[in-house]
Amino acid sequence: DAGVTQSPTHLIKTRGQQVTLRCSPKSGHDTVSWYQQALGQGPQFIFQYYEEEERQRGNFPDRFSGHQFPNYSSELNVNALLLGDSALYLCASSLDKGLLSGANVLTFGAGSRLTVL
Amino acid sequence: GQSLEQPSEVTAVEGAIVQINCTYQTSGFYGLSWYQQHDGGAPTFLSYNALDGLEETGRFSSFLSRSDSYGYLLLQELQMKDSASYFCALSGYSTLTFGKGTMLLVSP
Repeated sequence: DAGVTQSPTHLIKTRGQQVTLRCSPKSGHDTVSWYQQALGQGPQFIFQYYEEEERQRGNFPDRFSGHQFPNYSSELNVNALLLGDSALYLCASSLDKGLLSGANVLTFGAGSRLTVL
Repeated sequence: GQSLEQPSEVTAVEGAIVQINCTYQTSGFYGLSWYQQHDGGAPTFLSYNALDGLEETGRFSSFLSRSDSYGYLLLQELQMKDSASYFCALSGYSTLTFGKGTMLLVSP
């Protein structure tokens, strides 16, 4: 059973360009979250998709947008890239089980490492 | 907002026991999670505490005290493969707020 798969694994862009990152969740999972991890830092929550809608959003500008498809896969788009957007972008999937239903266990992919020059 | 603090680095030798502490500030959360991340790899779930007390999972144990806004991860019988970064994270409904991580270096 494949876990979370992300593509591409590495990419280099220049300032002002746009990038699209892709994620396929773990089989059976219906919720996809995106996190940004700068070097030496913990992952920071960007946003979460459930039932093809953005359900929650972290403190990121609207240059960051996303989409979830009917098969639960997801894309993260970043427009007008800045040097500070260089980071590892992690996709995590989970199964929405309702409130207070136990551990919120996320299954992470290995990430897409974005370098902005 | 939410914030978590953990030591940036901890060193230990094979076979030893190490404790990684985590203090936090939050107005509300469901539980405290711990994730492990090897260099360049995906974070993987280790343990979760919804209630105060100790949770044990093999060589790993995690503790939470809500009254002290404090938790820790205890790793026993350390192995070289345990060298990695360890993150505590406050669990919301379906999102996580991570600390900056603790790099654990295990030496022979």
